[in-house]
Amino acid sequence: ETGVTQTPRHLVMGMTNKKSLKCEQHLGHNAMYWYKQSAKKPLELMFVYSLEERVENNSVPSRFSPECPNSSHLFLHLHTLQPEDSALYLCASSPRHSGRAGNIQYFGAGTRLSVL
Amino acid sequence: TQLLEQSPQFLSIQEGENLTVYCNSSSVFSSLQWYRQEPGEGPVLLVTVVTGGEVKKLKRLTFQFGDARKDSSLHITAAQPGDTGLYLCAGADAGTEKDNRKLIWGLGTSLAVNP
Repeated sequence: ETGVTQTPRHLVMGMTNKKSLKCEQHLGHNAMYWYKQSAKKPLELMFVYSLEERVENNSVPSRFSPECPNSSHLFLHLHTLQPEDSALYLCASSPRHSGRAGNIQYFGAGTRLSVL
Repeated sequence: TQLLEQSPQFLSIQEGENLTVYCNSSSVFSSLQWYRQEPGEGPVLLVTVVTGGEVKKLKRLTFQFGDARKDSSLHITAAQPGDTGLYLCAGADAGTEKDNRKLIWGLGTSLAVNP
């Protein structure tokens, strides 16, 4: 148990569906992240929220829409996805940075998304 | 563009064998983090190395950060089936707090330890 919970664990959706992924962290961290993990690609950072403010958006298509209502919850709203969006979507949180060690990421177990 | 290359990409060994996996870059990082990801789970941090030449041990796992802070290695002694997983390295470029949030990730080494 990492203290970061993602739901659902698996999701199958059609290209016209609208769905949402949920992430909740119980660690008191002030930064939360969405990553996409695909085969043969490094982890792709999608969005970063710090203290509920979006501070990073890595050119993600608008069919992905994040929401961070408070520092413990993070959502990823999905609509009109494409088959190439099928991947493992990971949520992570991190404490406030200090020093050279970089922000240690605490990951959830991920949502395995299949777009048909 | 900063890149981290991990090798080998896949490794299948027998229980009790030793192994080393590598994480290399042409860029300097302020630190490197090593994670292990088991099937069906998210990555979990194993260790962070910060100082060039640093060596850290975690039971049977030994991590080393290169003197120039461009590369790192992970050595596992007497591997066990429980070591099976995807080993990921991630580099941090400490500058601003914003820089530190954006880790550079390798593709990982997928390790299978057979009983």
